Amino acid sequence: GAVVSQHPSWVICKSGTSVKIECRSLDFQATTMFWYRQFPKQSLMLMATSNEGSKATYEQGVEKDKFLINHASLTLSTLTVTSAHPEDSSFYICSARDLGQGYSGPNTDTQYFGPGTRLTVL
Amino acid sequence: GESVGLHLPTLSVQEGDNSIINCAYSNSASDYFIWYKQESGKGPQFIIDIRSNMDKRQGQRVTVLLNKTVKHLSLQIAATQPGDSAVYFCAENIEAAGNKLTFGGGTRVLVKP
Repeated sequence: GAVVSQHPSWVICKSGTSVKIECRSLDFQATTMFWYRQFPKQSLMLMATSNEGSKATYEQGVEKDKFLINHASLTLSTLTVTSAHPEDSSFYICSARDLGQGYSGPNTDTQYFGPGTRLTVL
Repeated sequence: GESVGLHLPTLSVQEGDNSIINCAYSNSASDYFIWYKQESGKGPQFIIDIRSNMDKRQGQRVTVLLNKTVKHLSLQIAATQPGDSAVYFCAENIEAAGNKLTFGGGTRVLVKP
């Protein structure tokens, strides 16, 4: 239980194009999902909190017009990197909070992470 | 804690020995703490968590200790195996802040056969 998937697992795109990354909770519902970015040999940095049915909340320094987040259902959130540039190349990871309606984990506030998406912008 | 940049602390441990990974946190308002394991090219995997009203919690081969007095968290792995080689992150959660996680810098564990 408590499985989170991401698609695609990796993507290469040209500078100036947009890329959409999907995050799905497979066996539980998640009103809240989170998007993180991780550079090589560094820790995860929270980019934004995605709330089902409402606007995302972005962390300081993260451009909301560049990183568009849509959380249309209780099991799907998408992150679109618009007009991507080489400096956007990174490992993007999503997580979802298990509200305890599916998998009965040790703590219903626990965040479960997806496998990540490697974005390379040429 | 914040990311430590391009250099991750590394813990080398002999297979079969016990590992202890330490983490210092900064916010006394944190409600609970989680340890994650991250293998190369993969997302973090939940290992164990502990609420702020506890000081010890045990799982399968893992134990988490919490010392709120000095804001210190540790993860002990018993009988370390090659499959335990990974980067380990501690994370602190504050419910009042919307349950956002703040990750520590990470520790790389290398298990020597």
